[in-house]
Amino acid sequence: DIQMTQSPSSLSASVGDRVTITCQASQDINKYLSWYQRNPGRAPKLLIHDASTLETGVPGRFSGSGSGTDFTFTISGLQPEDIATYYCQQYDSLPLTFGGGTKVEIK
Amino acid sequence: EVQLVESGGGLVQPGRSLRLSCAASGFTFDDYAMHWVRQVPGKGLEWVSGISWNSVSIAYGDSVKGRFTISRDNTKKSLYLQMNSLRPEDTALYFCAKSVGEVRLYYYMDVWGRGTTVTVSS
Repeated sequence: DIQMTQSPSSLSASVGDRVTITCQASQDINKYLSWYQRNPGRAPKLLIHDASTLETGVPGRFSGSGSGTDFTFTISGLQPEDIATYYCQQYDSLPLTFGGGTKVEIK
Repeated sequence: EVQLVESGGGLVQPGRSLRLSCAASGFTFDDYAMHWVRQVPGKGLEWVSGISWNSVSIAYGDSVKGRFTISRDNTKKSLYLQMNSLRPEDTALYFCAKSVGEVRLYYYMDVWGRGTTVTVSS
C-alpha cells in the first residue's frame, strides 16, 4: 500500500497569510494526487486533482504542485471560510489512501 | 443539483450486520464508479470499497475485506454497503462518493455525501 505522509497535522495562521501543506508519498505516484477540504457536518469537497488542476468554482487562492513523491498545497491569503481540515489522496493504485489531514485554524 | 444522500447508519452490537444505502441524483449514475469512504471519530479518511459502473470491478480495503460487500442498483440510482461481523473499530462516519471514472477504481472523487454514522457497541 502507498503511505501518504501529510504535514503539519495542524497549523494556526492569520487572515491573509500564506499557508502551505505538504504531502509525501511512500513511492512514485506520478501526478495522481488530489486535495480535499473537510468541514464537520459537511460533505468533503474536492479542490484539486492531478496535483495542480483546480476544480471549477474553487477560489484561485488555492493551488497545488508537485509530482512523483512530493506535493504541496497552498492557500495564498487565508480567509476565515478556509477554516477546515485538508486531506491529500493518491489514486495511482489501490487501495486509495489519504494523508492524515491538516487542521487549519485562524490565529 | 448533483447530490448523494447516505442512510442506514445506527447503533449496532459487535458481530451484527448493517446495510448502508446511498441515493444519487443530478447525474447519470450508471456512467460512474462509486466508493465508500469512512472517517473514524477524531481520525482521518479511510477508503473502504469501490465498484465500477457495471459492478465488474470491485475492491476493498484490507480492514473490511471478507466482511463488507459493496453493490449497486443502477435502475434505482443507488449504492449499497452490506456490513457483516461488525467490530467496534468499524465505528465511523461513512461517506458515499462518486468517482470521475467509469471502470478504473483508482481515481479521485468529485462528489461526496454528508455521511451516515455507524456506531458498533454493546
